[in-house]
Amino acid sequence: DAGVIQSPRHEVTEMGQEVTLRCKPISGHNSLFWYRQTMMRGLELLIYFNNNVPIDDSGMPEDRFSAKMPNASFSTLKIQPSEPRDSAVYFCASSSADRGTNTEAFFGQGTRLTVV
Amino acid sequence: AQKITQTQPGMFVQEKEAVTLDCTYDTSDPSYGLFWYKQPSSGEMIFLIYQGSYDQQNATEGRYSLNFQKARKSANLVISASQLGDSAMYFCAMREGSGGYNKLIFGAGTRLAVHP
Repeated sequence: DAGVIQSPRHEVTEMGQEVTLRCKPISGHNSLFWYRQTMMRGLELLIYFNNNVPIDDSGMPEDRFSAKMPNASFSTLKIQPSEPRDSAVYFCASSSADRGTNTEAFFGQGTRLTVV
Repeated sequence: AQKITQTQPGMFVQEKEAVTLDCTYDTSDPSYGLFWYKQPSSGEMIFLIYQGSYDQQNATEGRYSLNFQKARKSANLVISASQLGDSAMYFCAMREGSGGYNKLIFGAGTRLAVHP
């Protein structure tokens, strides 16, 4: 398996522009997570999906952020409009519940977003 | 309330020595999973080891072992025979509830430096 695939790896955009980050989870995984990592705040869980349904979006910082999972193999995180304080590394991760117990999440390589 | 606490922002260890990275957690759910991840300077998140709340024995994976003290709610990572390549950030994480359909939350991390 190719693992969790995120695109783009790097994104530089101007303040006010729309940014869309993409994620392809591991085939067969039921859960998908979006995290944001910064020096100040560490790894923050933004939102997670189970079976394509958003379960908890309490970590989404504000209305400028939105996430979708239209099918089991694709998810997007959109920021509109983007601001410099959104600059961070955004990780997507997926996991499977096939074992019936808590399972580890596998992470993508991350998208480094810089908003200037 | 902080669910995962890693009190050591930074640690250093001499090559070939053992090192313990601390992690305490807070949950009222009897079913949970504890995880450790490694993040080298390249940025990827690498799963290391898992401990289930009902597991009778401490988890081990090669040079990694988890010192699980349930009554104290601690899940310390022990790395034996440290290598230069172990220098990285280490994150403790937790999922509450059974079935694997639950969010994965992380501590602030500990930066480990292995000295020759």
